Amino acid sequence: EAGVAQSPRYKIIEKRQSVAFWCNPISGHATLYWYQQILGQGPKLLIQFQNNGVVDDSQLPKDRFSAERLKGVDSTLKIQPAKLEDSAVYLCASSPTGQGPDTQYFGPGTRLTVL
Amino acid sequence: AQSVTQLGSHVSVSEGALVLLRCNYSSSVPPYLFWYVQYPNQGLQLLLKYTSAATLVKGINGFEAEFKKSETSFHLTKPSAHMSDAAEYFCAVSPMNSGYSTLTFGKGTMLLVSP
Repeated sequence: EAGVAQSPRYKIIEKRQSVAFWCNPISGHATLYWYQQILGQGPKLLIQFQNNGVVDDSQLPKDRFSAERLKGVDSTLKIQPAKLEDSAVYLCASSPTGQGPDTQYFGPGTRLTVL
Repeated sequence: AQSVTQLGSHVSVSEGALVLLRCNYSSSVPPYLFWYVQYPNQGLQLLLKYTSAATLVKGINGFEAEFKKSETSFHLTKPSAHMSDAAEYFCAVSPMNSGYSTLTFGKGTMLLVSP
């Protein structure tokens, strides 16, 4: 079974530029998550999709971050414009149902450096 | 709001020694609890999870954790450390009475294993 795929793996940009990350979840998984992991910290949930609808985006900085999950499959996360403090690893995860103690399966992440 | 506290940002053990990684949760009702492992430049992988079925939970790679409600703890143990166990370990909590599964992670504990 293929895992969660993410691209690119690494990205370096200047502040105020825009950047986009892509995620393809495990086939058949209804729920997709985007996390931000700053160095030395645990992952922080940015947004959670159930199929193609948003169920939690309370920690997403909506003035600069946006995400979509068209057709309930793959997803993109965009930052525009980027700030220095956005330097982090962006992790995508998926889970079968998003209910109860559902196991989340993580992709390898995209490491973003903002200069 | 639920949270977890991981005591010790770094834990060092010798190969063959007992591994003990500490996690305490804060929640008004017992939550679901998870331990994930992250190897360098990789995503997170589930080690084990507490779903209220049994207080002693066995996971992959010889790890286990015991849920103790009186101590609000879910410490991770392994009887004998291997060099391959060197990684970062994250404890996470998810509310048991919520419709959707949302993880809140601790800050992580880096496990260092010496020969």
